[in-house]
Amino acid sequence: EAGVVQSPRYKIIEKKQPVAFWCNPISGHNTLYWYRQNLGQGPELLIRYENEEAVDDSQLPKDRFSAERLKGVDSTLKIQPAELGDSAVYLCASSLGASGATDTQYFGPGTRLTVL
Amino acid sequence: TQLLEQSPQFLSIQEGENLTVYCNSSSVFSSLQWYRQEPGEGPVLLVTVVTGGEVKKLKRLTFQFGDARKDSSLHITAAQPGDTGLYLCAGVDYKLSFGAGTTVTVRA
Repeated sequence: EAGVVQSPRYKIIEKKQPVAFWCNPISGHNTLYWYRQNLGQGPELLIRYENEEAVDDSQLPKDRFSAERLKGVDSTLKIQPAELGDSAVYLCASSLGASGATDTQYFGPGTRLTVL
Repeated sequence: TQLLEQSPQFLSIQEGENLTVYCNSSSVFSSLQWYRQEPGEGPVLLVTVVTGGEVKKLKRLTFQFGDARKDSSLHITAAQPGDTGLYLCAGVDYKLSFGAGTTVTVRA
């Protein structure tokens, strides 16, 4: 069975440019998470979806970040415009959604973003 | 801001040696998870500990959850090069709160 798929794996952009990341969760997983992992740190939650509804986006910088999961399956995270401090690894994870926060989360390989 | 403090930050040992890494929090979590992350990959769940004082063993890995459910440790016996990676602990409440991790390098 395929795991969480993310693309692209690497992205290098100039500051002030837009960028988008795509995630396809494990089939049948209702809950989808986007995390940001800065160098030398653990992942930090940006947004959590239950099906197509964003149920926790309190840590998403809404002035420049947006996310969508229109059909409750795959998801896109966008940054516009990107800033130097946005350089990080963006991880997507999914879980069945049956047990809330105690669900096992399965992480994708991440997209490493470098903003020059 | 990381709610969980992990120590040490880096650990390099020879194959066959034992190691212990620690995870401490000022907050109580309903449970705590340990993950291993390899370069270029996402974290992979190793174990979830729920009960204060709980000890779980996974082959050569032993996980302990403190009585007050605010601290935990991971002990690896006879480490192998395949144990190399970033070990992350995460507190579980309504979301996962990760520590900064311990980078473990096991030299052959």
